[in-house]
Amino acid sequence: GQQLNQSPQSMFIQEGEDVSMNCTSSSIFNTWLWYKQDPGEGPVLLIALYKAGELTSNGRLTAQFGITRKDSFLNISASIPSDVGIYFCAGQITSGTYKYIFGTGTRLKVLA
Amino acid sequence: DGGITQSPKYLFRKEGQNVTLSCEQNLNHDAMYWYRQDPGQGLRLIYYSQIVNDFQKGDIAEGYSVSREKKESFPLTVTSAQKNPTAFYLCASSMRSGVAFNEQFFGPGTRLTVL
Repeated sequence: GQQLNQSPQSMFIQEGEDVSMNCTSSSIFNTWLWYKQDPGEGPVLLIALYKAGELTSNGRLTAQFGITRKDSFLNISASIPSDVGIYFCAGQITSGTYKYIFGTGTRLKVLA
Repeated sequence: DGGITQSPKYLFRKEGQNVTLSCEQNLNHDAMYWYRQDPGQGLRLIYYSQIVNDFQKGDIAEGYSVSREKKESFPLTVTSAQKNPTAFYLCASSMRSGVAFNEQFFGPGTRLTVL
């Protein structure tokens, strides 16, 4: 099955630093979603993007829907220890099924 | 509270046994989905249903079966034909919006271990 290219795969950062991650695809998408997953739990929706070029914030999180509709970016500002987890992107395909394709995840570890 | 529930949280089964994982939602969402997650990997779609009494195979449907007799329920059966069933299983749901579907919301997951 198709999966998105998400990078970086993992990152260690110091508390207070800003974080950037992105997802790219060879396909165009209608919608981009960003989720956070804690160990042993289901993913929680952070941000949803619906239009090319859209920039949306949720607290310290900011995400953008790439202008080509083939990529998306997530930034976390001033990271804190509870930001630890796995971040997934998901893109909604434009065909009749409107399924979501998920990235392979970015594992974030924050050092206090 | 509105949400998606999955039960049980942890499930242990002997090899060769069928097992059914429960997923219930009270969000009045039209579509429901089952994903499998293996360590260090993303989510892979097993089955999905966009309307009651109808469902479609995802990317890794072999060895699994589902039913959608009620809008709020979408149980997944892991059959003995599934060669490597030990994994974390996630259920999700979404609301229809015109011909498309809105963002997906996930349940807490069920970790299945086959001994």
